Amino acid sequence: GEEVAQTPKHLVRGEGQKAKLYCAPIKGHSYVFWYQQVLKNEFKFLISFQNENVFDETGMPKERFSAKCLPNSPCSLEIQATKLEDSAVYFCASSPLGTDSSYEQYFGPGTRLTVT
Amino acid sequence: DAKTTQPNSMESNEEEPVHLPCNHSTISGTDYIHWYRQLPSQGPEYVIHGLTSNVNNRMASLAIAEDRKSSTLILHRATLRDAAVYYCILSAQRGGGFKTIFGAGTRLFVKA
Repeated sequence: GEEVAQTPKHLVRGEGQKAKLYCAPIKGHSYVFWYQQVLKNEFKFLISFQNENVFDETGMPKERFSAKCLPNSPCSLEIQATKLEDSAVYFCASSPLGTDSSYEQYFGPGTRLTVT
Repeated sequence: DAKTTQPNSMESNEEEPVHLPCNHSTISGTDYIHWYRQLPSQGPEYVIHGLTSNVNNRMASLAIAEDRKSSTLILHRATLRDAAVYYCILSAQRGGGFKTIFGAGTRLFVKA
């Protein structure tokens, strides 16, 4: 498709429950990024993929967060045992393959996760 | 890692030009400067990007300082629909790929 799709739009979980978010990147794009946006507007980079390979996971709280991008499937971001501070909007973005960093990212509409 | 610094908010009158500044004094030679904007309840939207030279497109212009330590996004005639948070971002090459470094953004208010 021509747009990045994210599901679900809203997700509510009780503290300690699992949350799984999905992202379908634009067809033909090789890079996928996940970001977390909390109330202050600031985006926190979580993880990026180059095709199905993790490219950069320096932003991931590894003890509870995991992500995958498998061939012919939507990418996913999973949070085991959610905490109140995980409440945020999670954005996925995709970008075409390039040899430099000049390519724009196309963002999805986000998934709003509320942990109660 | 390099980072960007922007004013928290700015205000403009409709139909007037707006200059949104960004400082990125620790930028590396291969880092591209990108600008995105985020309308309420939406994901960020690409506006413009550049490396060294000034750039123009249908949405805006990007003026990059000669030393690349700062840049300015120029909206030539602000409209009410331009009210958004504008992010100045560095897109950095690292290890064969790239990562993006977001700043805190500038919230632009446009008055009718």
